[in-house]
Amino acid sequence: AQSVAQPEDQVNVAEGNPLTVKCTYSVSGNPYLFWYVQYPNRGLQFLLKYITGDNLVKGSYGFEAEFNKSQTSFHLKKPSALVSDSALYFCAVRDYGNDYKLSFGAGTTVTVRA
Amino acid sequence: EPEVTQTPSHQVTQMGQEVILRCVPISNHLYFYWYRQILGQKVEFLVSFYNNEISEKSEIFDDQFSVERPDGSNFTLKIRSTKLEDSAMYFCASSEARGLDEQYFGPGTRLTVT
Repeated sequence: AQSVAQPEDQVNVAEGNPLTVKCTYSVSGNPYLFWYVQYPNRGLQFLLKYITGDNLVKGSYGFEAEFNKSQTSFHLKKPSALVSDSALYFCAVRDYGNDYKLSFGAGTTVTVRA
Repeated sequence: EPEVTQTPSHQVTQMGQEVILRCVPISNHLYFYWYRQILGQKVEFLVSFYNNEISEKSEIFDDQFSVERPDGSNFTLKIRSTKLEDSAMYFCASSEARGLDEQYFGPGTRLTVT
């Protein structure tokens, strides 16, 4: 079975400060990990993914994520947050050998204040 | 940039009625998916579809649900006899290939069953 936990319902940061959104996962094999962002009245937009290789993955809009196998984590980071980064962020995992189904976390609402 | 589209954006129906939710995946994608999100809950996988057949389905996807690709562009989800608990946001997604590829999501259809 595969699952994802996002321990924080909400993250609040000031504009210009670093932003971190936490994600931990559980899979039986090797994980494929994804981050998506959802703006109001929009679908989930793909930000970045980890499949294999370098543990630090760079994605869209200046976001990056660090894969940590020993801690089974895949935290999303942005060095300097913008007000426009305020949105709902979802972490998702797919287990190696499962080609189809994504399992999502509950989501973390990020609010960046000016 | 190509995107997944869904219609309608909001559907209200009475319990026991049939509904069809429509999606137009990205044109060169071969794998298609439906997910749903009940208000306040996680995004849940319903079904994946490839080569005109279901490749995987969840326990939610019972006999009341069906999917179809009636032509070269549309991908539909039918709920035969809606229940109150079917009220949710339904997301369509597509991917170019399975496995390592990210899934691209549409904006969703909010289904309200009264």
